[in-house]
Amino acid sequence: DVKVTQSSRYLVKRTGEKVFLECVQDMDHENMFWYRQDPGLGLRLIYFSYDVKMKEKGDIPEGYSVSREKKERFSLILESASTNQTSMYLCASQPGRNTYEQYFGPGTRLTVT
Amino acid sequence: ELKVEQNPLFLSMQEGKNYTIYCNYSTTSDRLYWYRQDPGKSLESLFVLLSNGAVKQEGRLMASLDTKARLSTLHITAAVHDLSATYFCAVDINGNKLVFGAGTILRVKS
Repeated sequence: DVKVTQSSRYLVKRTGEKVFLECVQDMDHENMFWYRQDPGLGLRLIYFSYDVKMKEKGDIPEGYSVSREKKERFSLILESASTNQTSMYLCASQPGRNTYEQYFGPGTRLTVT
Repeated sequence: ELKVEQNPLFLSMQEGKNYTIYCNYSTTSDRLYWYRQDPGKSLESLFVLLSNGAVKQEGRLMASLDTKARLSTLHITAAVHDLSATYFCAVDINGNKLVFGAGTILRVKS
């Protein structure tokens, strides 16, 4: 089974803090994704990566950056957390281009106070 | 920009009843996915629909795809309480980027 893990299930940070969300997959997948999920809005893509050290902006990249130094690990960084970044963050991985399903991690619920 | 619209956004139904969730999307795609999410949990893949006319069934759920109408349906037959969850459709762009609908919250009442 594909396993996607995220470093924290719940996280509380203060406004202005730098926040790191970590995602690790164990199936040698090429593609990795970060989404945020908000009620009534579904999932929105923040950033994705096709390969190590490669990244592309999704639909809502503002206020976020990412890092992919190793194939199995994809990090989401909030340089200066703000209250409007309070959300559920979901990481996903996918075998490669033109393959199908994305496999999701358990999510990190981030609260910024 | 691709838009994906689900309706209804909230569905309360009695056990044993049938209902359909609709997923409309605005640009051409022949790949569509349905996911289920239980409260506090992550997304679980239900169906992968890869061509016009595709139909998949699993238990009391059946999904179909009409790429010409840009419409997918998720039909629930004889609902049971265990089907209570949030259901998302997601449309595939370029073979890897997904655009999600807002989700349909389904509550099945005994």
